[in-house]
Amino acid sequence: QQQVKQSPQSLIVQKGGISIINCAYENTAFDYFPWYQQFPGKGPALLIAIRPDVSEKKEGRFTISFNKSAKQFSLHIMDSQPGDSATYFCAINAGNMLTFGGGTRLMVKP
Amino acid sequence: DTAVSQTPKYLVTQMGNDKSIKCEQNLGHDTMYWYKQDSKKFLKIMFSYNNKELIINETVPNRFSPKSPDKAHLNLHINSLELGDSAVYFCASSLGSGRATQYFGPGTRLLVL
Repeated sequence: QQQVKQSPQSLIVQKGGISIINCAYENTAFDYFPWYQQFPGKGPALLIAIRPDVSEKKEGRFTISFNKSAKQFSLHIMDSQPGDSATYFCAINAGNMLTFGGGTRLMVKP
Repeated sequence: DTAVSQTPKYLVTQMGNDKSIKCEQNLGHDTMYWYKQDSKKFLKIMFSYNNKELIINETVPNRFSPKSPDKAHLNLHINSLELGDSAVYFCASSLGSGRATQYFGPGTRLLVL
């Protein structure tokens, strides 16, 4: 099973700051790179996703940056809010299967 | 309206017992999944069904047996439960696979004593 490595494991950011979460993958045969957000006691939910033919995608305060040559992609949360406190998972898709990173627990302090 | 629902929400049982978790989706999706999330939050796919047919079976012990009676339901039966089976089990569904968005249920928290 292909792996995707996610960092950091946990992140504390002040309200209004920028949260950055990074993921690196090992194989180039992936065609879809989603990020999922999970609140305590809930199931993960799709936040934003990018295809490998695009280097950046922005939706509101959330931006994915994708570096195909480095096999890395990252999630930036601008103007982080306490309501953004959750666990974030990057994932890679190969065929019919999503493989998730280890998750990043984000805490945004008021 | 509940999109993906799971029952039960909590399950506490003794080692060696057999238990089932049920999942239903009302999104009209044709693909359903079971994931296991361990205590460290690591999320790993176990099974995937498309139109009631098994398409992914990831190195899961034979004690775990999924069953899909129709496209809207995917159940998970676990025999001879072990301590290491304690985890949160998530059901998910999507329309097609690949880049299709997966919609997750609320999870079933299983504790094996």
